[in-house]
Amino acid sequence: GENVEQHPSTLSVQEGDSAVIKCTYSDSASNYFPWYKQELGKRPQLIIDIRSNVGEKKDQRIAVTLNKTAKHFSLHITETQPEDSAVYFCAASPTDSSYKLIFGSGTRLLVRP
Amino acid sequence: DAGVIQSPRHEVTEMGQEVTLRCKPISGHDYLFWYRQTMMRGLELLIYFNNNVPIDDSGMPEDRFSAKMPNASFSTLKIQPSEPRDSAVYFCASRPGQGNEQFFGPGTRLTVL
Repeated sequence: GENVEQHPSTLSVQEGDSAVIKCTYSDSASNYFPWYKQELGKRPQLIIDIRSNVGEKKDQRIAVTLNKTAKHFSLHITETQPEDSAVYFCAASPTDSSYKLIFGSGTRLLVRP
Repeated sequence: DAGVIQSPRHEVTEMGQEVTLRCKPISGHDYLFWYRQTMMRGLELLIYFNNNVPIDDSGMPEDRFSAKMPNASFSTLKIQPSEPRDSAVYFCASRPGQGNEQFFGPGTRLTVL
């Protein structure tokens, strides 16, 4: 079945710097890759997603890139702000059930003011 | 829309007791998912339903766990008997038939003493 690896597990950056979180997946036919943000004590919320027919997608300070050949995708946050501090999860939809999401282990991002 | 509703928000029980967690999905959503979140294992999919029918329960840890969806607006996750290792945050999520985003509820924090 699908397996999603995420790293780093923790990331600390200075406010204004960029942050990059990387994920790899095992099922080469997976076609949907969302990123969720979870603030402390809150629910996960979708911040951006990408489908396998697209290489990059951007939404203001957030971008996601996908490399299908290497089976990895990344989240890029530019001009980080303290409110970006949270846990970020990547996920992938396995081909045996495109309605499921298999989540990575999460990255705790701390933005230092 | 009020979003996905879960109850109770917090549950503290003693080992051996039965625990029932409840979820009301967003109206019109065809899919409902139950997740468990722990520090050690991250966000794990337990089971999901499509139009009230269980589709994939491969993530249910053992026979002590059961889930039902008697109608489109209500689902339960039951643990009987509960054990301390079941302590976790349990999230319910729903999504429409068209579209990929899963909308998470606020979660139920379960503590089994």
